[in-house]
Amino acid sequence: AQSVSQHNHHVILSEAASLELGCNYSYGGTVNLFWYVQYPGQHLQLLLKYFSGDPLVKGIKGFEAEFIKSKFSFNLRKPSVQWSDTAEYFCAVNKAAGNKLTFGGGTRVLVKP
Amino acid sequence: GAVVSQHPSRVICKSGTSVKIECRSLDFQATTMFWYRQFPKQSLMLMATSNEGSKATYEQGVEKDKFLINHASLTLSTLTVTSAHPEDSSFYICSASVDRYTDTQYFGPGTRLTVL
Repeated sequence: AQSVSQHNHHVILSEAASLELGCNYSYGGTVNLFWYVQYPGQHLQLLLKYFSGDPLVKGIKGFEAEFIKSKFSFNLRKPSVQWSDTAEYFCAVNKAAGNKLTFGGGTRVLVKP
Repeated sequence: GAVVSQHPSRVICKSGTSVKIECRSLDFQATTMFWYRQFPKQSLMLMATSNEGSKATYEQGVEKDKFLINHASLTLSTLTVTSAHPEDSSFYICSASVDRYTDTQYFGPGTRLTVL
């Protein structure tokens, strides 16, 4: 069975700092990769996704992620965070042509103003 | 676009009663809907996959008779927690997929269930 791990459970940083959240998955076949964000009191929203093509994916709100197949990783990055980026971030994976998502444990990000 | 709603947003019930939660895709037709459970400070755990007009597929360890899922139309799926107990208290989230090939799920706001 596939699994997804997010190494950081909590991240605290100041505004304008750079953010990188790690995500690794265990499935060896072709996968689709997603990052979702959950702002306080709100529902999950899709930040970005990778299905194929350019492994560097740009999403909304200045976020990007890089798929490195050899490392089974899909790390999320933002060069300069804002207070409004305070949220919980979830990495998720499914098998290509199958849409059952497996989520990582989530990373809570707190951006101090 | 791709908005998913859930009703109710919060429900409190007595132990032994049944609770129905609705999940609707508001601006698209969803051939597939998913039900998740999220415990405090934990990630989402998939409970079941629901395809319109067919029986739901439950994940291992999820009781089919306790969590009844009905996907009666392309815009509505319901989850009924039967004979609820305090350990069923949780945050239940649904998602909907436009079709089984796009693989992108859109999530509802969740329903907080508290069983007394």
